[in-house]
Amino acid sequence: AQSVTQLDSQVPVFEEAPVELRCNYSSSVSVYLFWYVQYPNQGLQLLLKYLSGSTLVKGINGFEAEFNKSQTSFHLRKPSVHISDTAEYFCAVRYMTTDSWGKLQFGAGTQVVVTP
Amino acid sequence: NAGVTQTPKFQVLKTGQSMTLQCAQDMNHNSMYWYRQDPGMGLRLIYYSASEGTTDKGEVPNGYNVSRLNKREFSLRLESAAPSQTSVYFCASSEALGAGVYTEAFFGQGTRLTVV
Repeated sequence: AQSVTQLDSQVPVFEEAPVELRCNYSSSVSVYLFWYVQYPNQGLQLLLKYLSGSTLVKGINGFEAEFNKSQTSFHLRKPSVHISDTAEYFCAVRYMTTDSWGKLQFGAGTQVVVTP
Repeated sequence: NAGVTQTPKFQVLKTGQSMTLQCAQDMNHNSMYWYRQDPGMGLRLIYYSASEGTTDKGEVPNGYNVSRLNKREFSLRLESAAPSQTSVYFCASSEALGAGVYTEAFFGQGTRLTVV
């Protein structure tokens, strides 16, 4: 069965400290990978995506993620967080099948709380 | 440049009442989706429409119906609301770039529905 697992439901972090959010997936087919951010009472905004090519992907707001095919992971990192990074982060997978129709499967989300 | 627009933003229903959530996108995308977001469960696909005139069930379709009115609009209907349908509902759209290749999904701001 295909699944997306975000290993941490909540990550507290101090301002200017680094943060890593973990995402693992299981799939028998190739995948596209995405990270979305949701600020309080907002919709989802794309942070970054991996479709092909370099396994290190850079996104908006200083975030980056690395695709590791052998470990089926797509972990998100930021070297120095700001208070404004407090939000919920979702890992999402699109399976490369002929009937995907662009559908996404989401992880449960990781709440990042940044404190001074 | 509105993107994906959802109405209403908030709604309270009594058990057994019906309502329709509206969604419209102005990006000329063929594919549209309805997701629900529940704490600790991420987003789950309710229904999707690969193109105008087609709709199909997602992961959690029970209790819902959809209509793809035209290329722009994709509505979600609750015929007889139940407390278990209390959730945040997101509409999204994406576009096929080629065989099985899609843009990222663009999300609306969400509808917060409470069923009492």
